[in-house]
Amino acid sequence: ETGVTQSPTHLIKTRGQQVTLRCSSQSGHNTVSWYQQALGQGPQFIFQYYREEENGRGNFPPRFSGLQFPNYSSELNVNALELDDSALYLCASSEELTTDTQYFGPGTRLTVL
Amino acid sequence: GESVGLHLPTLSVQEGDNSIINCAYSNSASDYFIWYKQESGKGPQFIIDIRSNMDKRQGQRVTVLLNKTVKHLSLQIAATQPGDSAVYFCAEKDNYGQNFVFGPGTRLSVLP
Repeated sequence: ETGVTQSPTHLIKTRGQQVTLRCSSQSGHNTVSWYQQALGQGPQFIFQYYREEENGRGNFPPRFSGLQFPNYSSELNVNALELDDSALYLCASSEELTTDTQYFGPGTRLTVL
Repeated sequence: GESVGLHLPTLSVQEGDNSIINCAYSNSASDYFIWYKQESGKGPQFIIDIRSNMDKRQGQRVTVLLNKTVKHLSLQIAATQPGDSAVYFCAEKDNYGQNFVFGPGTRLSVLP
């Protein structure tokens, strides 16, 4: 098991609502990356946070936003939920921007009805 | 654009046999590759990596082969065990060295 934790484990929302997902990084890791994994597909990079600043973003609309806190934990916020947002959301933590050795959490399963 | 894909979506092998999982990538500028294992209900777990200056790397029961000429990556698992049943993803580092592009995955089923 990695030291990366995510909450909640499961979540059900309706279209148009907003959701906040949380991630606690492994001790000593100051970089957090978020991924979306649709059913039957590989994870897709959403964005990365390093020392409380966004440091790179994948092909996701602005309604996907995030935060990183001084203790390096992170939040992923999604506004105006759409059905296609249903997925497993993974966070991964690593040291000093390098993602070569990143440790994934178990994910949050989001279902949008 | 960058893309990483797999030749087979599912693979079934007998316990004790060797498994070979393949991956094709399209970005010839990618210089770092990782194989991940994802078990049900868990996040991806690092298995083995390889850089583009190598063509083979071995770990415990696993070997990764890289053929840059045809942009092909493979993962070999020796003496496959029931605990190896999972979905396996290859991932390549993108041009900016910041995040990985994952393939769609191959589900490995180990038959008793």
